[in-house]
Amino acid sequence: AQTVTQSQPEMSVQEAETVTLSCTYDTSESDYYLFWYKQPPSRQMILVIRQEAYKQQNATENRFSVNFQKAAKSFSLKISDSQLGDAAMYFCAYRSWGGSRLTFGEGTQLTVNP
Amino acid sequence: GAGVSQSPRYKVAKRGQDVALRCDPISGHVSLFWYQQALGQGPEFLTYFQNEAQLDKSGLPSDRFFAERPEGSVSTLKIQRTQQEDSAVYLCASSTGQGPNNEQFFGPGTRLTVL
Repeated sequence: AQTVTQSQPEMSVQEAETVTLSCTYDTSESDYYLFWYKQPPSRQMILVIRQEAYKQQNATENRFSVNFQKAAKSFSLKISDSQLGDAAMYFCAYRSWGGSRLTFGEGTQLTVNP
Repeated sequence: GAGVSQSPRYKVAKRGQDVALRCDPISGHVSLFWYQQALGQGPEFLTYFQNEAQLDKSGLPSDRFFAERPEGSVSTLKIQRTQQEDSAVYLCASSTGQGPNNEQFFGPGTRLTVL
């Protein structure tokens, strides 16, 4: 079974600064997907960014980018130019190539200080 | 509607009561998922439907949990004889269909508190 680990329960960043959230995972599969989701207090889970394991290029979505290290099974999220609206719980998630269910990490609570 | 909706948003039940949680997926979405999110934890998979067929129910924690989607649209998660450990947020998600590029869109969840 796959597992996802987020070792940082809480992180904080100053507005306009850059922060990196860590995620590691364990799998025996070679093809899979990795995701970062944002969950604000409203509880609505929002997809931030997605990475296909077969792609060597790191995914980027505006201020959000990932550092995907397949051999190390590491998948970190970098948020640049942090904004107050980025404050939320962030979850790393895994999905098998042919699967449907998502396996989530424990989450990292991000605080953005003005 | 524009997104996945769930009702009720909050539910308080006395231990031993039965509860029913409803999920309205995005119109036309074939796949529907239920997740359980305990306080301070990440969501955990419960069950998955493709249309009306329940293809995976391996995450249901006990036989007190039952999910259905009889017409391939609205789904109901039923919990019988609720216990305190059932207290959690129950998230529903839908997607256009099984496949590598199908994003799961989540609803706001139902927060269940069992007293």
